[in-house]
Amino acid sequence: NAGVTQTPKFRVLKTGQSMTLLCAQDMNHEYMYWYRQDPGMGLRLIHYSVGEGTTAKGEVPDGYNVSRLKKQNFLLGLESAAPSQTSVYFCASAGQRSGTQYFGPGTRLLVL
Amino acid sequence: EDQVTQSPEALRLQEGESSSLNCSYTVSGLRGLFWYRQDPGKGPEFLFTLYSAGEEKEKERLKATLTKKESFLHITAPKPEDSATYLCAVQATYRDDKIIFGKGTRLHILP
Repeated sequence: NAGVTQTPKFRVLKTGQSMTLLCAQDMNHEYMYWYRQDPGMGLRLIHYSVGEGTTAKGEVPDGYNVSRLKKQNFLLGLESAAPSQTSVYFCASAGQRSGTQYFGPGTRLLVL
Repeated sequence: EDQVTQSPEALRLQEGESSSLNCSYTVSGLRGLFWYRQDPGKGPEFLFTLYSAGEEKEKERLKATLTKKESFLHITAPKPEDSATYLCAVQATYRDDKIIFGKGTRLHILP
């Protein structure tokens, strides 16, 4: 039981490049979330999903897209990376209506 | 507006010196309040969930309590390995789909 895993762990991008972050969970959770964490800002919700095939915007969705084609996977895409997207990205999952979120180890992204 | 405020932002204690971290929240209806621990370079790790005022939960040297407006994380006789950032989060009854996080308290226990 691996819990929540994230790929890659670290990535450097140039401005304008695109990339996809992968989150996978093996707990059969319905809810999945993508957060970014910046110094002094706390965790901010980017997008979330309440089930396979569904996605919704969170607090800071601009510049990001997501997909939930399979229940166990939640992908976060950056179509044209900007330096403001330099951050640590965390994925989390939760059982339906339980509220408790289980986090992955994070992806550190540096956009030059 | 739903809001979570944690204080202090940072706290330095000597080993064995007990203290409390505060989490004040404003939400129309509380479904649950969560405490997480985050070590540098890692994802948040779940500690406790509290659902109603008066509820208390304990784990080793940590004890979480809840009132209608705030929660406290009491740390008794802390050890250096308790050093971490502690995050508080709340879920509103009318929102199944997201949880609001505070900015955290950075705790440093000196040996």
